[in-house]
Amino acid sequence: GAVVSQHPSWVICKSGTSVKIECRSLDFQATTMFWYRQFPKQSLMLMATSNEGSKATYEQGVEKDKFLINHASLTLSTLTVTSAHPEDSSFYICSASTEYMDTEAFFGQGTRLTVV
Amino acid sequence: KQEVTQIPAALSVPEGENLVLNCSFTDSAIYNLQWFRQDPGKGLTSLLLIQSSQREQTSGRLNASLDKSSGRSTLYIAASQPGDSATYLCAVRIQGAQKLVFGQGTRLTINP
Repeated sequence: GAVVSQHPSWVICKSGTSVKIECRSLDFQATTMFWYRQFPKQSLMLMATSNEGSKATYEQGVEKDKFLINHASLTLSTLTVTSAHPEDSSFYICSASTEYMDTEAFFGQGTRLTVV
Repeated sequence: KQEVTQIPAALSVPEGENLVLNCSFTDSAIYNLQWFRQDPGKGLTSLLLIQSSQREQTSGRLNASLDKSSGRSTLYIAASQPGDSATYLCAVRIQGAQKLVFGQGTRLTINP
């Protein structure tokens, strides 16, 4: 299957600082990338959908000014958690897809964010 | 609104048993259904993808079925091994959107 690389795999930051997480599709062009958040022992919650070259579409209840998403190329999307607080500590996972609806979704390995 | 439910939430069986994980969804208007495996602290690994026009898919000891009209899918694992221990998630891609809707997952433990 296709490979999606997410970096970093874990990060610890101080309250009030910003953290950037990268998601790269290594062997295919991802017209759409998705960002999820996962709390312990819970399923994935979709935060936003980003299409290359356009603004991301955020799910209801997700603060777009806090979780900045950029999808500047067909192989790279970034999620920046701005002014992070301890309640932002979570597991963040990205997913990448092509333009075709019937294809598989491929996921990165996730990023464990801890805000202290 | 599409809702995906997985039963049971947790399952513990001895090694060597065959087992079935269940997934149900409320809206049959889907493009496909995908089963994933997630190990603790890791991302998702795709196991099987079933298109809406298909009835089942097989990969090694795994077999997934889809009954779209009744809104159900099952993941059958044959001859379970301790290495199969993980959380299994099913997700549907709804028509008219690219995003996936996930179930809550089944946490599977295979005891040696």
